[in-house]
Amino acid sequence: DADVTQTPRNRITKTGKRIMLECSQTKGHDRMYWYRQDPGLGLRLIYYSFDVKDINKGEISDGYSVSRQAQAKFSLSLESAIPNQTALYFCATSDLGDTQYFGPGTRLTVL
Amino acid sequence: SQKIEQNSEALNIQEGKTATLTCNYTNYSPAYLQWYRQDPGRGPVFLLLIRENEKEKRKERLKVTFDTTLKQSLFHITASQPADSATYLCALVGNFNKFYFGSGTKLNVKP
Repeated sequence: DADVTQTPRNRITKTGKRIMLECSQTKGHDRMYWYRQDPGLGLRLIYYSFDVKDINKGEISDGYSVSRQAQAKFSLSLESAIPNQTALYFCATSDLGDTQYFGPGTRLTVL
Repeated sequence: SQKIEQNSEALNIQEGKTATLTCNYTNYSPAYLQWYRQDPGRGPVFLLLIRENEKEKRKERLKVTFDTTLKQSLFHITASQPADSATYLCALVGNFNKFYFGSGTKLNVKP
């Protein structure tokens, strides 16, 4: 089984809808991250969490929220989706910081 | 704000040659730098890490250099193979374990 899983893998939704992307990991890492990837812009950090009680904004957190339900679970929500949130979203985990382990990604399309 | 530049144009080389990819950065003093490989439709996978006090790091056919004066890292793949074709991302890691990724360079190795 994959160490970092993301659900759903693909999602098409409409403007204004609430969307939740989920991430689970079996690596036992405390640190978890959410990124979005757009062509030509690379990976940009949305939110990160160093443990269950610690959540921090990344460089592009506006329009997003997160919840760290347990050490193994970190979900990303779009309260009211808009078309420019169409992107590839990745969850990642790390131990004390040397390496990030990425999930397979969620392709989100907002119409 | 920090800026990370990787050549956005694809690098096309012949099998057996050495591929060299460049990562330049500004407005930042990273504690260390990493290189990741990303295949289409998949999450990035960690390859190598080099710290600010290291000049060079090797792993099998891979070599990374880090010049903190030039603010540049070079990533080399020797004896390249078609299976090395992918997008390669560099990431800077600094205080508070925050990661900043470049947009990646696509490498095409032709048989």
